Amino acid sequence: SQKIEQNSEALNIQEGKTATLTCNYTNYSPAYLQWYRQDPGRGPVFLLLIRENEKEKRKERLKVTFDTTLKQSLFHITASQPADSATYLCALPPEGAGSYQLTFGKGTKLSVIP
Amino acid sequence: EADIYQTPRYLVIGTGKKITLECSQTMGHDKMYWYQQDPGMELHLIHYSYGVNSTEKGDLSSESTVSRIRTEHFPLTLESARPSHTSQYLCASSEGARGELFFGEGSRLTVL
Repeated sequence: SQKIEQNSEALNIQEGKTATLTCNYTNYSPAYLQWYRQDPGRGPVFLLLIRENEKEKRKERLKVTFDTTLKQSLFHITASQPADSATYLCALPPEGAGSYQLTFGKGTKLSVIP
Repeated sequence: EADIYQTPRYLVIGTGKKITLECSQTMGHDKMYWYQQDPGMELHLIHYSYGVNSTEKGDLSSESTVSRIRTEHFPLTLESARPSHTSQYLCASSEGARGELFFGEGSRLTVL
């Protein structure tokens, strides 16, 4: 099974700066990778999906990169705002086609300080 | 806003009670999932379903059971709750080969 490591449990950043979160995986290279946001006591909310043949994906202030050689995805939030404070999770599918059960990392708790 | 609903949001019960956590989605998704999450920990898949009358156990062993009699409904049942079952239970659904998961708000279960 896949092992996922997200760089740190908590990340504090000043408002306006770029937050960079890391997701490393150890076994097979997944066909795609997803990022979610989770607020305390709530269910995760999908943010972005990046496929193995895509180097970079953007959505508004969010940017995700996917390096299959390094077995790593980076998640960037530019011009961060206090409202971006949340836990961010990366998720990967299992190996092989026809299977949809995502494995989630523990997440990185981001705090954006005004 | 995702159209997936979980009830109850919070439940405190005594040991030995039977409980059912309800999950319904109005998006017509074939795939539904139950994840368990302890505070500060990752989500663990405990059950999933790819359609009506299809249910499978996930990676994390669980004493709970599920059923999928209707596309929109995926309830989770614990026949005899124990304190070790105290956790947050999250229901989700998805559509398509690489579909995003739509999560409910979760059911936080406390067994005394």
